[in-house]
Amino acid sequence: DVKVTQSSRYLVKRTGEKVFLECVQDMDHENMFWYRQDPGLGLRLIYFSYDVKMKEKGDIPEGYSVSREKKERFSLILESASTNQTSMYLCASSPSNQPQHFGDGTRLSIL
Amino acid sequence: AQSVTQPDIHITVSEGASLELRCNYSYGATPYLFWYVQSPGQGLQLLLKYFSGDTLVQGIKGFEAEFKRSQSSFNLRKPSVHWSDAAEYFCAVGVPDKLIFGTGTRLQVFP
Repeated sequence: DVKVTQSSRYLVKRTGEKVFLECVQDMDHENMFWYRQDPGLGLRLIYFSYDVKMKEKGDIPEGYSVSREKKERFSLILESASTNQTSMYLCASSPSNQPQHFGDGTRLSIL
Repeated sequence: AQSVTQPDIHITVSEGASLELRCNYSYGATPYLFWYVQSPGQGLQLLLKYFSGDTLVQGIKGFEAEFKRSQSSFNLRKPSVHWSDAAEYFCAVGVPDKLIFGTGTRLQVFP
């Protein structure tokens, strides 16, 4: 079975902090994705990557950046956390033109 | 622009009753279509997918969905709902490796 592991299930940070969310997949997938999930808005794509060191902006990239130095790891970075970034963050991976597999999510609270 | 609409925010059914969750999409080309399910506090699990071919697709947990190009729909069905089916259900269209999600339908099951 595909395993997508997000480093934290729950995280509490303060405004202005730099926050790192880590995601690791064990199936050698080319594609990796970061979403945020908010009630009534569904899942919205923040950033995605088709290959190592590649990144593409999704629908809501403002206030975020990403890093993919190794194929199995995709990090989401909040450069200066703000309260409106309190949300559930979901990581996913997939081979090309195949369904995405999701991690269990990180519930992030910014105080 | 691509979009997915799930018109029902919340549906309540009795255990053993049949279920249909609606999904309409907007996409210029032949779509890749997906249904995912999310249990509380968990990530998303793929229920089924449509890429091409037979327009009636079978998935896990006894679910099926029918692609109707003329109606731009991909409705999810189950003939007899179990209490364990209570969850949130998301329809998505692949464009092609990125996913556009609907806002979800929350299913509640009464005994």
